[in-house]
Amino acid sequence: DQQVKQNSPSLSVQEGRISILNCDYTNSMFDYFLWYKKYPAEGPTFLISISSIKDKNEDGRFTVFLNKSAKHLSLHIVPSQPGDSAVYFCAASMNSGYSTLTFGKGTMLLVSP
Amino acid sequence: GAGVSQSPSNKVTEKGKDVELRCDPISGHTALYWYRQRLGQGLEFLIYFQGNSAPDKSGLPSDRFSAERTGESVSTLTIQRTQQEDSAVYLCASSFRAGGDEQFFGPGTRLTVL
Repeated sequence: DQQVKQNSPSLSVQEGRISILNCDYTNSMFDYFLWYKKYPAEGPTFLISISSIKDKNEDGRFTVFLNKSAKHLSLHIVPSQPGDSAVYFCAASMNSGYSTLTFGKGTMLLVSP
Repeated sequence: GAGVSQSPSNKVTEKGKDVELRCDPISGHTALYWYRQRLGQGLEFLIYFQGNSAPDKSGLPSDRFSAERTGESVSTLTIQRTQQEDSAVYLCASSFRAGGDEQFFGPGTRLTVL
């Protein structure tokens, strides 16, 4: 029973365009959400997070949007760059973040020049 | 400063053998996590240590899996009587405290069980 779902296994975008990665969750107890990026043969690295008290968090080219009523969050990358090509994992936790993370299966983003 | 390190980077073993994987967390990080990623799957939580508290073992898939951590330092994940379905990348992560803070991941150990 997957509690965090990333339904698109892959996404292809042209350089300079917007990349939108989606994530859905089923557990209403989740109140803290994170995105991690993973390059091949490396461990995931933290990208951006959002608490359920917010609906948007922005950091440079990366913005995460949270829609609690729909149990949906998305990561926007604008403008996309070839170096953004990686697997992106959505993760969620409870208790304002003070619990272990539940990860989605990831979406592979390919940004072409 | 040094990040999370894991050893070995690759391990090939025969079915039925025991394996031990090692994780060195970032110094000062009280929380340590083990995950695995099987081919085509997401990260699957295995176990987490927080300071001197009893570890959360809720993600361990069977009693063949166990992990230890001495204080707030090195952790070892042991898989006994390995099976082919244990083949995966085993990732270790640490954070300054449990949850809330971002987790810093090591490069993983790729385990192949023949």
